[in-house]
Amino acid sequence: NAGVTQTPKFRILKIGQSMTLQCTQDMNHNYMYWYRQDPGMGLKLIYYSVGAGITDKGEVPNGYNVSRSTTEDFPLRLELAAPSQTSVYFCASSSGTQYFGPGTRLLVL
Amino acid sequence: SQKIEQNSEALNIQEGKTATLTCNYTNYSPAYLQWYRQDPGRGPVFLLLIRENEKEKRKERLKVTFDTTLKQSLFHITASQPADSATYLCALEGGSSNTGKLIFGQGTTLQVKP
Repeated sequence: NAGVTQTPKFRILKIGQSMTLQCTQDMNHNYMYWYRQDPGMGLKLIYYSVGAGITDKGEVPNGYNVSRSTTEDFPLRLELAAPSQTSVYFCASSSGTQYFGPGTRLLVL
Repeated sequence: SQKIEQNSEALNIQEGKTATLTCNYTNYSPAYLQWYRQDPGRGPVFLLLIRENEKEKRKERLKVTFDTTLKQSLFHITASQPADSATYLCALEGGSSNTGKLIFGQGTTLQVKP
């Protein structure tokens, strides 16, 4: 059981570039979440999904998009990277309590 | 709007003592509250869940209390060890049914000195 995996671990983007952060879980959880965490701050919910084909906005969705075509995968898309998107991104899946991936550190320059 | 507050100042204690971390919330009545541990460079890890009708929950050296009148949860680590040094996050049920959403506090960093 790998749990929740995220790729890449670290990425540097130039302003205006796009990228997809990958998230996969092997626990057959219906609920999945994307958070961002800025230094010294708590986790802010970007998007979440309650099942394949169903997604909804969280607290800070602007500048991001998601899709959920399968139960296992929940990719997060950044279309036009901005310096304000420099952060650490965590994906999580839930069966009541949340299981987090190791995170993706993103630097936008 | 819903607000969660944890002490942003780091808590420094001596090994063997009891660490007590506080989580306060306003404008909300959550059905449950959770505590997570986060080590540097890693994702949070679930520790304990306590429901609104439970006053106290224990797991080994960990104890959580939940006072819905005071709108406060206390997280205790007894006989603390240097390995307990980490950031501890409290999280409240996000208010929407059947989504599993959580609202996280900013976390309190605990440093246990030998």
